[in-house]
Amino acid sequence: NAGVTQTPKFQVLKTGQSMTLQCAQDMNHEYMSWYRQDPGMGLRLIHYSVGAGITDQGEVPNGYNVSRSTTEDFPLRLLSAAPSQTSVYFCASGNQPQHFGDGTRLSIL
Amino acid sequence: TQLLEQSPQFLSIQEGENLTVYCNSSSVFSSLQWYRQEPGEGPVLLVTVVTGGEVKKLKRLTFQFGDARKDSSLHITAAQTGDTGLYLCLNNDMRFGAGTRLTVKP
Repeated sequence: NAGVTQTPKFQVLKTGQSMTLQCAQDMNHEYMSWYRQDPGMGLRLIHYSVGAGITDQGEVPNGYNVSRSTTEDFPLRLLSAAPSQTSVYFCASGNQPQHFGDGTRLSIL
Repeated sequence: TQLLEQSPQFLSIQEGENLTVYCNSSSVFSSLQWYRQEPGEGPVLLVTVVTGGEVKKLKRLTFQFGDARKDSSLHITAAQTGDTGLYLCLNNDMRFGAGTRLTVKP
């Protein structure tokens, strides 16, 4: 029973590089979301999806893209990484309640 | 957007003490969730409250939802070291508060 799986767990990038954070869930939830967590700021919503083919912006969407081609997967793309995007990223599945992955720690140098 | 304010930001207590943390907003919630997050892990749901004045108990944890549905509190009785973690509230708009970081010392 995997729940929500995020990969990679750790990543270091150089400024300007692109990458995709992967998120997969096996609970058949329609709702999925991405958050970033910075010290002292809790979790902030980046993007969310209410079902395959439907995505929308959260509080802090700039610099990130998402797509939802299947119910199971919800990847988060950084197009041109910036140091301000250094953070811990959490993917969640479901909304009442949300089930979280263990996070991806991303450092941008 | 409903902003959530959590207090205190940090709390350090001895094992066996009682404590209360708060989650407040100027807006009305239709529901509120409390999560606990341990280092290196994602948040895990503790409880959902939906009715004004509601009180829910989870072992030593008591959750209250204000009558006006603008605030909530979490009370822990006889805290244990295993209660250490970051306590977060989440509103129905999928916005988190900044959290209360609780440390329970043996």
